[in-house]
Amino acid sequence: GAVVSQHPSWVICKSGTSVKIECRSLDFQATTMFWYRQFPKQSLMLMATSNEGSKATYEQGVEKDKFLINHASLTLSTLTVTSAHPEDSSFYICSARDLWVGGETQYFGPGTRLLVL
Amino acid sequence: GEDVEQSLFLSVREGDSSVINCTYTDSSSTYLYWYKQEPGAGLQLLTYIFSNMDMKQDQRLTVLLNKKDKHLSLRIADTQTGDSAIYFCAEGSSNTGKLIFGQGTTLQVKP
Repeated sequence: GAVVSQHPSWVICKSGTSVKIECRSLDFQATTMFWYRQFPKQSLMLMATSNEGSKATYEQGVEKDKFLINHASLTLSTLTVTSAHPEDSSFYICSARDLWVGGETQYFGPGTRLLVL
Repeated sequence: GEDVEQSLFLSVREGDSSVINCTYTDSSSTYLYWYKQEPGAGLQLLTYIFSNMDMKQDQRLTVLLNKKDKHLSLRIADTQTGDSAIYFCAEGSSNTGKLIFGQGTTLQVKP
């Protein structure tokens, strides 16, 4: 299957700093990527839809100024957690939508674990 | 609103078949997915089925879809200890690409 990478896989930062997470589709182009957050022993919560060449669309309750998304190319989306606080500590997972004529599939990255001290 | 429901836990013996069930509410869903998540890892796509299909088989995996009852199941034949993980079903919209996930079913395989 197609591969989606995330970088970094682990990050520990001090409260108040900003952290950037990259999501790349390695062998296909993705005009749409998604960012999720997962708390321990829970399902995935969709945060936002990242659209190449346009602004991201955020789910209700997700602060757009807090979680900045940039979809700079057809293979790269970045999520920046600005002024991170301990409550932002979580597992962040991205997915990339692989579209073709007559179908689609969605592949996930390996996730980034963020710990804010 | 849209909702996806799964049972939370399933325990089977190695070599037995596992059946994980899922119900969804959005009749306009175009794609239904099964993902596997191992501890500390992302989601691995196992298989998916289009909403106009009833069944899909891929090696040890069989997906059954009952559109009338909005019921999806994943059968794993000859379950191995390496199959122990959390399994998520998700319904997807072809319009937006958004996925709605179930709570995940933890599959425990006993030797």
